[in-house]
Amino acid sequence: AQSVTQPDIHITVSEGASLELRCNYSYGATPYLFWYVQSPGQGLQLLLKYFSGDTLVQGIKGFEAEFKRSQSSFNLRKPSVHWSDAAEYFCAVGFTGGGNKLTFGTGTQLKVEL
Amino acid sequence: NAGVTQTPKFRILKIGQSMTLQCTQDMNHNYMYWYRQDPGMGLKLIYYSVGAGITDKGEVPNGYNVSRSTTEDFPLRLELAAPSQTSVYFCASTGPDSNYGYTFGSGTRLTVV
Repeated sequence: AQSVTQPDIHITVSEGASLELRCNYSYGATPYLFWYVQSPGQGLQLLLKYFSGDTLVQGIKGFEAEFKRSQSSFNLRKPSVHWSDAAEYFCAVGFTGGGNKLTFGTGTQLKVEL
Repeated sequence: NAGVTQTPKFRILKIGQSMTLQCTQDMNHNYMYWYRQDPGMGLKLIYYSVGAGITDKGEVPNGYNVSRSTTEDFPLRLELAAPSQTSVYFCASTGPDSNYGYTFGSGTRLTVV
C-alpha cells in the first residue's frame, strides 16, 4: 500500500528566507505526487503536481517541487517566503485507476516570522 | 463557477443522532470523495465514487454511508453519531480535465456531544 511521510510537523521561517518542506513516499510503481496548501478554516488548494517528465515542477504562488526517485522524495521549495505563505501543507501520492484515490501525509504547519 | 459546495459549514450533534452532509460539484467531475481531517492525522478517505451509481469504501468507512444518484451530488450520511466522529469533513472531486488534481470544498466542522 502507498504511504506518505512528512517528517516535519512544524516549521518556522523568517519572511524572505528560503523554504523546503520534506515529503517521502512509499509506492511500488511510479507515483503521481501532489502538494496542497490549507489556510485556516479553508479547504485544500492544489499547489502543484508531478505525473511524469521533468522532475522539477513549478506551481502556483512561486512554489516548486523536485521528484527524486532514488530518494523517494518530493520536497517543496520556495526561494523567498512571504507572510501570507503561513498555512498547513500536505503532500499526497496517488495513481490513476482505482478511483484515482490520494493518500495524504500528516501535514507540515508553516509559521512565518516577520 | 462554484466548484465544490459543502453544507452545512458547522453542526453540533448529540450522540445517537443522524445527519447528512451535503456535497455538490458543478464541474461535471466523475470522481468524488469524502475525507475526514483530524489534528495531526492528515486526511483519511471515508468513501469515494467513480461515477453516478458507483460507490466504494475508503480507509475509514465505519459509521458512514454514501450514495451517488447524480454526477453532481455525493451526500455523506452519519447514522447514530458517536464522539469519535467529531472531525472536519471535506468533499473533493476530480476528473480527466483536472489532470486528477482534486478540487476541495470548504469543509464541514462536526462536533458530536
